[in-house]
This record gives sequence, C-alpha cells and structure tokens, in this order.
Amino acid sequence: EAGVAQSPRYKIIEKRQSVAFWCNPISGHATLYWYQQILGQGPKLLIQFQNNGVVDDSQLPKDRFSAERLKGVDSTLKIQPAKLEDSAVYLCASSPTGASEAYEQYFGPGTRLTVT
Amino acid sequence: RKEVEQDPGPFNVPEGATVAFNCTYSNSASQSFFWYRQDCRKEPKLLMSVYSSGNEDGRFTAQLNRASQYISLLIRDSKLSDSATYLCVVSSASKIIFGSGTRLSIRP
Repeated sequence: EAGVAQSPRYKIIEKRQSVAFWCNPISGHATLYWYQQILGQGPKLLIQFQNNGVVDDSQLPKDRFSAERLKGVDSTLKIQPAKLEDSAVYLCASSPTGASEAYEQYFGPGTRLTVT
Repeated sequence: RKEVEQDPGPFNVPEGATVAFNCTYSNSASQSFFWYRQDCRKEPKLLMSVYSSGNEDGRFTAQLNRASQYISLLIRDSKLSDSATYLCVVSSASKIIFGSGTRLSIRP
C-alpha cells in the first residue's frame, strides 16, 4: 500500500514570498491533516479535513495560511506571505476513520521549509 | 500551563534497562490517547494506542490514569533501536494535541 505522498521535500524561500505544499493521502482515507512541526517541538495541528470539509482549523493563521481539499482526495497548503517564523517541517497525515476521534494517523515524509 | 506536557529528556539509559516516561494533560474531557515514535528527521509513526485498562505490546506497556490526568509508557529490555523521540497525543472532540516529545537514547 502506498503511503502518504508530499512534495516538495525541501523548499527555501525569502520572507514575504509565497509557497505551496501538496499532499496525496493514502487511497480511501477520509481524513487528512496538516501539521506544522518547529524544531524541538511536537507537531501542531493546522487544519483537519474530513473528505472535502474542514473539521478543525482553529490553529491555522488564516491571515497568511490557506488550505484546500477540493475533491476530497489530495490537498494543498499555501503560505502567503511567508515569515521567518514559518520555518518548520510541514507534515501531512491521513486516517481511514471519521473526525470524531484521533485514530491512527499515517504521516508523509514532510516538507522542510526554510524562510530566509 | 500547556495542554499536553512531556519531560523533554534526554533519557540516556543502558541497553537492557527499563525506562518509563509520563505525559500529563489538562483537559479532563480528553477521550483518546496515543504514543507515537519519531526518529531523527523522520515522520511520526504510531507506537500504540492507550486504553483505559492499560495495554501491552511486546516490550511496551501503556497506561492511562484519568484521575491524575496522565498517560505513561514503559519500555522493558530496551534496545539500541528504541532510541527516538516519543510523542504523546491527546484528543478531545476532534481537537488533537501532540506533546513536545521525550528524547530517549539507549547506549550499548
């Protein structure tokens, strides 16, 4: 079974530039998550989708971050404009179950973003 | 107070030793609990779920103490390959929170 795919794996941009990340979850998984993991910290949930609907985006900085999952399959996360503090690994995860509980999540390899 | 707290470590123990660490949470309405393992520069992977009655998977034992609001992970007969960061996850009503992780280093 193919795992969660993410691209790009690495990205370096200057502050105030825009960047987009892509995630393709495991086939058939209804729930998709985007996390931000800053060095030395645990992953912080940015947004959770169930199919193409948003379940939780309470920690998404909506003035600069946006995410979509239009067809209920793959998803993109965008940052516009980027700030230095956005430097982190952006992890995508998927889960086969519904949004009521945190079941086993399968993580992709992440995108390491450096903002200079 | 953080919603989920872990001792960052590092815990440095010899191979074969038993090691345990806790994770405390502040929301008494939390419903689901997990331990994930994260190797350096890799993604987290589920180690085990934590059930109210406690559960064991080989050398690993997880327990939940709702009264004191913490979960624990015990590793027996530790192996060099157990060296990693262990993240606890607490969820309630679709709010998912990861701890910052406890670093474990097993020495030969």
